[in-house]
Amino acid sequence: DAGVIQSPRHEVTEMGQEVTLRCKPISGHDYLFWYRQTMMRGLELLIYFNNNVPIDDSGMPEDRFSAKMPNASFSTLKIQPSEPRDSAVYFCASSTGTENTGELFFGEGSRLTVL
Amino acid sequence: GESVGLHLPTLSVQEGDNSIINCAYSNSASDYFIWYKQESGKGPQFIIDIRSNMDKRQGQRVTVLLNKTVKHLSLQIAATQPGDSAVYFCAETPDSSYKLIFGSGTRLLVRP
Repeated sequence: DAGVIQSPRHEVTEMGQEVTLRCKPISGHDYLFWYRQTMMRGLELLIYFNNNVPIDDSGMPEDRFSAKMPNASFSTLKIQPSEPRDSAVYFCASSTGTENTGELFFGEGSRLTVL
Repeated sequence: GESVGLHLPTLSVQEGDNSIINCAYSNSASDYFIWYKQESGKGPQFIIDIRSNMDKRQGQRVTVLLNKTVKHLSLQIAATQPGDSAVYFCAETPDSSYKLIFGSGTRLLVRP
């Protein structure tokens, strides 16, 4: 399996622009997570899905952030409008949701820089 | 790669020595704990987990110890190798959900 695939790997944009990050989870995984990592705040859970349904979005910073999972093999995280403080590495992860609930498989991340 | 944190505590060990990385958690209701390793420019990678009904669990070259009395978790790496150099995170599930809460991390540097 190719693992969790994220795109783009790097994105540089200007404040006010819309940003869309994409994720393809591992086939057969029922859970999908979006995390954000910054030097100041570490790894923060933004939202997670089970069987394409958002379960907990309490970590989404504000209304500028939205996430969708239209099908089992694709998810997006959108920021509109983007701000410099959104600069971070955004990770997508997936898991099977079986006994080892903590074994998340992470992608390599999308590094976002908002100027 | 992403610099995880300039202010991370750092543990420097000689190659071949054993490493012990510590983590304090805050929520006494947490019942499941996990250690992750993150190499520069990559996503975190699962190492080992432990449930609150256990005190110790061993894997290949790694051991996790859990002390619920003082809410402390440790990761022991035997015969540390250069490839072990990374940032290590402990994580917990405070409410038995699939919601992992990560700690701030410890950087491990292995000296040749």
